Amino acid sequence: DAGVIQSPRHEVTEMGQEVTLRCKPISGHNSLFWYRQTMMRGLELLIYFNNNVPIDDSGMPEDRFSAKMPNASFSTLKIQPSEPRDSAVYFCASSSGELPALHFGNGTRLTVT
Amino acid sequence: RKEVEQDPGPFNVPEGATVAFNCTYSNSASQSFFWYRQDCRKEPKLLMSVYSSGNEDGRFTAQLNRASQYISLLIRDSKLSDSATYLCVVFGSRRGYIPTFGRGTSLIVHP
Repeated sequence: DAGVIQSPRHEVTEMGQEVTLRCKPISGHNSLFWYRQTMMRGLELLIYFNNNVPIDDSGMPEDRFSAKMPNASFSTLKIQPSEPRDSAVYFCASSSGELPALHFGNGTRLTVT
Repeated sequence: RKEVEQDPGPFNVPEGATVAFNCTYSNSASQSFFWYRQDCRKEPKLLMSVYSSGNEDGRFTAQLNRASQYISLLIRDSKLSDSATYLCVVFGSRRGYIPTFGRGTSLIVHP
């Protein structure tokens, strides 16, 4: 079991640039979550997919953030344009219906200068 | 009131001590509960599930109190390696079966 795979591990970009974060969930898991973690706010749920369909995106901060899940094995989180306040660790997690506990990827540490 | 609340700590304890954390949740309809452990600069990892009847895994015991809407984690005989942040997770704290994380409780075990 390869676990949840995220890329890149680190991303440093300048304000205004587009950032794309990628996630491959565990095979067979039908739920996928994108979280953002900062010291100030802890782990915040950004968006939740079930069977590739976005179920709850109320946590997406603003229109600059978008997420897609074109198939069961791939999801992206895009920030365009990026801002310094977007700097955080972004985690992707997946789970199955039978065992709802989340399995997290290693995260992407984003720094926007 | 926040959906899921934890005392951020840090809890600073000597090796061998017993330490307990609580986590309160606001929605009485919440359904599933878990404890996660997060090491510095790492991803959260599942520690254990929490059941009404309580469950034990070695030195760790988790308990759910539905009447008072809190879950607890007890760590006996603390080890240096237990130093981490412990996050509680509540499913169904808001609409849908969606997991909400507490901010975490920091534990530091010293020699």
